[in-house]
Amino acid sequence: EIVLTQSPATLSLSPGERATLSCRASQTISHSLGWYQQKPGQAPRLLIYDASFRVTGIPARFSGSGSGTDFTLTISSLEPEDFAVYYCQQHSSWPRSFGRGTKVEIK
Amino acid sequence: EVQLVQSGGGLVQPGQSLRLSCTTSGFAFGDFAMSWVRQAPGKGPEWIGCIRSKAYGETTEYAASVKGRFTISRDDSKSIAYLEMNSLKTEDTAVYYCTPETYYFDHWGQGTLVTVSS
Repeated sequence: EIVLTQSPATLSLSPGERATLSCRASQTISHSLGWYQQKPGQAPRLLIYDASFRVTGIPARFSGSGSGTDFTLTISSLEPEDFAVYYCQQHSSWPRSFGRGTKVEIK
Repeated sequence: EVQLVQSGGGLVQPGQSLRLSCTTSGFAFGDFAMSWVRQAPGKGPEWIGCIRSKAYGETTEYAASVKGRFTISRDDSKSIAYLEMNSLKTEDTAVYYCTPETYYFDHWGQGTLVTVSS
């Protein structure tokens, strides 16, 4: 089973700042990684697929990068609605797996 | 518009069974694998299993945590996916979501709470 380790667990930032979230896979997964945003009481929302492709309608301030085992989600300038929990997910092999999440909170 | 409407959650005692349904519309249900993902209170999502389309033999995959206890099935004539849960444990308490899978999960049901408690 592929384990995804996200860091940091919590990121305390102010609106307008840049957020950099990390996801590390326990074995190589090529580009088979997505990023999700989740707000309280809602289902996760897919932001990025195949490591770096934005889903239609996702603002350009969200970008993904990486391949192999190390991946990054960057939010270039935080908007108030971006404070949420972010998860990575791999589809390289079964079982599918998610990371434990990074909470981006207002400083 | 893709819609996934879930039903069947509730409170059950340990060892009991429950079946969840996911009624879909707005996409070619028969062409897609369907997955179930759950989220325990305060925890991240956990993929628990999927069923492939008829074209791929309706074969299934399960997470180790539910294998042998949970069964996923589908009825393409009604565009419904099912999650049959047996021998429920307290650690199965979670919100359960159905989602069509295209390697990723970009449409989700509204979620249904399953509480396993004595």
